[in-house]
Amino acid sequence: SQKIEQNSEALNIQEGKTATLTCNYTNYSPAYLQWYRQDPGRGPVFLLLIRENEKEKRKERLKVTFDTTLKQSLFHITASQPADSATYLCALGMNTGFQKLVFGTGTRLLVSP
Amino acid sequence: GAVVSQHPSRVICKSGTSVKIECRSLDFQATTMFWYRQFPKQSLMLMATSNEGSKATYEQGVEKDKFLINHASLTLSTLTVTSAHPEDSSFYICSARRTGTDGYTFGSGTRLTVV
Repeated sequence: SQKIEQNSEALNIQEGKTATLTCNYTNYSPAYLQWYRQDPGRGPVFLLLIRENEKEKRKERLKVTFDTTLKQSLFHITASQPADSATYLCALGMNTGFQKLVFGTGTRLLVSP
Repeated sequence: GAVVSQHPSRVICKSGTSVKIECRSLDFQATTMFWYRQFPKQSLMLMATSNEGSKATYEQGVEKDKFLINHASLTLSTLTVTSAHPEDSSFYICSARRTGTDGYTFGSGTRLTVV
């Protein structure tokens, strides 16, 4: 069956450390993968996109890797801040035409001062 | 940046009544919009793809007669939950993508409670 798995348990880290979140998928062949941030009671906010032929993408304190052999994406936040506390969702795009996304369940990140 | 406005943010309705949720792209045109539902601590589940000027495409298991979608203009899509029941209580979110951008822009969501 098709699955997108993210750590269901919350990730607790100290301010200043690097947070690493994992997204694993099964029986999908995505053309691209996206990461979103979602705060309680709000819609997701787009962070980064990485395509199937890209290994790594960076944006400010964020870094995403994409390994299509392992069927895994890692999402890193360096120098984490309490304001980074939120739920982070990965989403797979099945074709390059930017149609529908399939979302993972999300991982809650808590950054302590 | 691209902005999607969703209204209302919260609504409480009685069982058996209908509720309409609006999704507007404020600064771009969206020929396609997407409607999702999210239950507590669960992922966003795509309900349907709304296409301007044509019928919506519903995901498997989503009742099209219960969740009516209208996309009458390039900036407005509406989702009407008909004959709502308590099990329809959920967080409904719409999204659209501005041409030339990588990500989708989501509305702020609508918390529907059916009593």
